[in-house]
Amino acid sequence: DAGVIQSPRHEVTEMGQEVTLRCKPISGHDYLFWYRQTMMRGLELLIYFNNNVPIDDSGMPEDRFSAKMPNASFSTLKIQPSEPRDSAVYFCASSLASGRTDTQYFGPGTRLTVL
Amino acid sequence: SQQGEEDPQALSIQEGENATMNCSYKTSINNLQWYRQNSGRGLVHLILIRSNEREKHSGRLRVTLDTSKKSSSLLITASRAADTASYFCATWALTGNTPLVFGKGTRLSVIA
Repeated sequence: DAGVIQSPRHEVTEMGQEVTLRCKPISGHDYLFWYRQTMMRGLELLIYFNNNVPIDDSGMPEDRFSAKMPNASFSTLKIQPSEPRDSAVYFCASSLASGRTDTQYFGPGTRLTVL
Repeated sequence: SQQGEEDPQALSIQEGENATMNCSYKTSINNLQWYRQNSGRGLVHLILIRSNEREKHSGRLRVTLDTSKKSSSLLITASRAADTASYFCATWALTGNTPLVFGKGTRLSVIA
């Protein structure tokens, strides 16, 4: 298996622009997680899905952030409009249906820079 | 918050030495996991220890869990330069929907 795939790997955009990050989880994994990592705040969970349904989005910082999972093999995280403070590395992770308590497999991340 | 906190924040050792990192957390847990992150990469799972386990080994890794003290330690024996990375502990709460919560990590530097 190719592992969790994220695209793009790097994104540079200007303040106010819409940004869309993409994730393909490992086939057969029923849980998908979106994280944001910064030096100041560490690794923060933004939202997670189970069987394509959002379970907990309490970590989404504000209404500018939205996430969707239209099918088992694809998820997006959208920021509209983007702001410089959104600059971070965004990770997607997935885990098996055997339990949300199980191991998470992380993608390589998308490094977002908002100018 | 059940967030784990790693200690120390940074650790520098010579190749061949052992490295010990500690993690403390606040609430009752289902399990505790350790992950490694190389610079510019995603996190990689190292080992999972359940709340009813006290010690677990995997190669050069040894993890202990003390639920009475709400703490865990990760020992890397005979360290190598390739072990240079950040190490994170993460915990699953025993109850509720609270997902895996990560600490801020220990940055380990192994000097050849």
